[in-house]
Amino acid sequence: AQKVTQAQTEISVVEKEDVTLDCVYETRDTTYYLFWYKQPPSGELVFLIRRNSFDEQNEISGRYSWNFQKSTSSFNFTITASQVVDSAVYFCALRNSGGGADGLTFGKGTHLIIQP
Amino acid sequence: EPEVTQTPSHQVTQMGQEVILRCVPISNHLYFYWYRQILGQKVEFLVSFYNNEISEKSEIFDDQFSVERPDGSNFTLKIRSTKLEDSAMYFCASSVERGNTEAFFGQGTRLTVV
Repeated sequence: AQKVTQAQTEISVVEKEDVTLDCVYETRDTTYYLFWYKQPPSGELVFLIRRNSFDEQNEISGRYSWNFQKSTSSFNFTITASQVVDSAVYFCALRNSGGGADGLTFGKGTHLIIQP
Repeated sequence: EPEVTQTPSHQVTQMGQEVILRCVPISNHLYFYWYRQILGQKVEFLVSFYNNEISEKSEIFDDQFSVERPDGSNFTLKIRSTKLEDSAMYFCASSVERGNTEAFFGQGTRLTVV
């Protein structure tokens, strides 16, 4: 069975600080997919990034960057120069590639509060 | 930009009543999903649907739940006899394919069972 752990329940930083959200996953599959979703106060789930298990390249998109390390089963998310609009709950999720693995397994989420 | 749409945004129902939550997935997507998020908790997978049949379902998706694609655009989740513990946000999602692709979520339907 797969599992996603987001140990940080809540993080509060002051605007313009950098912040890293941790995600650790467990799976027995050798091929799997990792995701981050953002849930702003309005409640919808917004897709941020997908990563395949065979591609360990880190990715940067504007102020967002992701660090995927298979050796530690981690897929951490960093926001540089945080802004108030980044305040949201962020979920890390995992999907295996095998049969019977359609659904995403989500972590419990990290509530990020950016204070002005 | 195409999006997944869900109706209604909020539904209040009495315990024991049947509810139908509706979703219109993105038009060229082939896989459809329902997820549930109890207030303040994580998002949980309920069921996936492909080629007009259930592809996978979780332990949560018991006989009280059913899904249907009644026409070419809608995808519904029915709860036959609602319980208080069914109160949650229900998200519909869709994806082009199953594995190496992201699912796009609707804005959710908040179901309150009283």
